[in-house]
Amino acid sequence: DQQVKQNSPSLSVQEGRISILNCDYTNSMFDYFLWYKKYPAEGPTFLISISSIKDKNEDGRFTVFLNKSAKHLSLHIVPSQPGDSAVYFCAATSTGQNFVFGPGTRLSVLP
Amino acid sequence: DGGITQSPKYLFRKEGQNVTLSCEQNLNHDAMYWYRQDPGQGLRLIYYSQIVNDFQKGDIAEGYSVSREKKESFPLTVTSAQKNPTAFYLCASSTLQGALLGGANVLTFGAGSRLTVL
Repeated sequence: DQQVKQNSPSLSVQEGRISILNCDYTNSMFDYFLWYKKYPAEGPTFLISISSIKDKNEDGRFTVFLNKSAKHLSLHIVPSQPGDSAVYFCAATSTGQNFVFGPGTRLSVLP
Repeated sequence: DGGITQSPKYLFRKEGQNVTLSCEQNLNHDAMYWYRQDPGQGLRLIYYSQIVNDFQKGDIAEGYSVSREKKESFPLTVTSAQKNPTAFYLCASSTLQGALLGGANVLTFGAGSRLTVL
């Protein structure tokens, strides 16, 4: 049973528009969430994180929103750029050390 | 230039053979991890180590073995007991400070090794 779900395997967005990637989790003990971005043939790279004591964290074009009651978080990318095309993984932890990763969402930003 | 080096990038193995994947980091990170990625699934933790000469099983450790004789190195052996070894393997490292400060340790990943069993 997946504790972290990313129900959209893929997403296509026009350049300049907003990309919204969603992540749902089932374990209420998770208290820290991270997003990683992965290009083909490379390892994932850290993008942005959020603690459960916050409901929003922003870093440039990237914003993560957390809705604890719904056990849902989302990553917003505004404006989307072709270089954002990659696979995005949501990860959650209750220990700060070991993470449960979602299956990923492949984002394609079309020029 | 600090980072994590995994080798080989691609590896083919016959059934019944053991194979060892290398992972070296020069980031002075205390913790190192091995993950496996399969299509349509998230990264699953195989083994992790927080200190030299100590390591713990992750969620899918069966058929794998590791060692941590040096801080910089965390090789993974895929044994013949692993029933479905064909996958993309990712090594990662982190400090332990994030978790100790009430946050989370951010992982730095290597580029991965793709193992195919023929």
